[in-house]
Amino acid sequence: KNEVEQSPQNLTAQEGEFITINCSYSVGISALHWLQQHPGGGIVSLFMLSSGKKKHGRLIATINIQEKHSSLHITASHPRDSAVYICAVLIQGAQKLVFGQGTRLTINP
Amino acid sequence: DTGVSQDPRHKITKRGQNVTFRCDPISEHNRLYWYRQTLGQGPEFLTYFQNEAQLEKSRLLSDRFSAERPKGSFSTLEIQRTEQGDSAMYLCASITPGTPYNEQFFGPGTRLTVL
Repeated sequence: KNEVEQSPQNLTAQEGEFITINCSYSVGISALHWLQQHPGGGIVSLFMLSSGKKKHGRLIATINIQEKHSSLHITASHPRDSAVYICAVLIQGAQKLVFGQGTRLTINP
Repeated sequence: DTGVSQDPRHKITKRGQNVTFRCDPISEHNRLYWYRQTLGQGPEFLTYFQNEAQLEKSRLLSDRFSAERPKGSFSTLEIQRTEQGDSAMYLCASITPGTPYNEQFFGPGTRLTVL
């Protein structure tokens, strides 16, 4: 079993829908990252969380440390949000990230 | 553009050949990471450097793989005697000391295809 699990693996929705992507982890962490990867490979950081909730534009990320779970929400989704979203955790005491397998999101117009 | 560059962006090679990839991090970043990403999966850690010192290597990094960062700036990743299973995206990322919680800046990746 992977230390970081994401669900769903694939998600297709219509423009305007509210999107939720989930991430569960099984180890103690210092922080959790949400990353976005567009076709072609480049990865950009969306959020870093150690507790609570963060919001940036239409994106919201939450984390529950006790339940070892995080969610990424997209409000009013748009076709340009189509990408792979990856959850990654910084394990306590480590200097490297451990990644989930990613969630491929497709938003249809 | 995150400021991290990788070269080449694409490499097609025949099985058994050697390949070398280069990563240029953001200039003030002293820590550099290499990852491998296969289709449909998240990145997997390969190795990382603090300045020129290689501090950790994954067991994924077999003896055919070697990485260097000779002057603490750019880094190279070499794969000897490539195998079809080496086909993947190779990603480089860098961080600067004091970055909270290991926020990494990723390069665009080098996509390797081994025929």
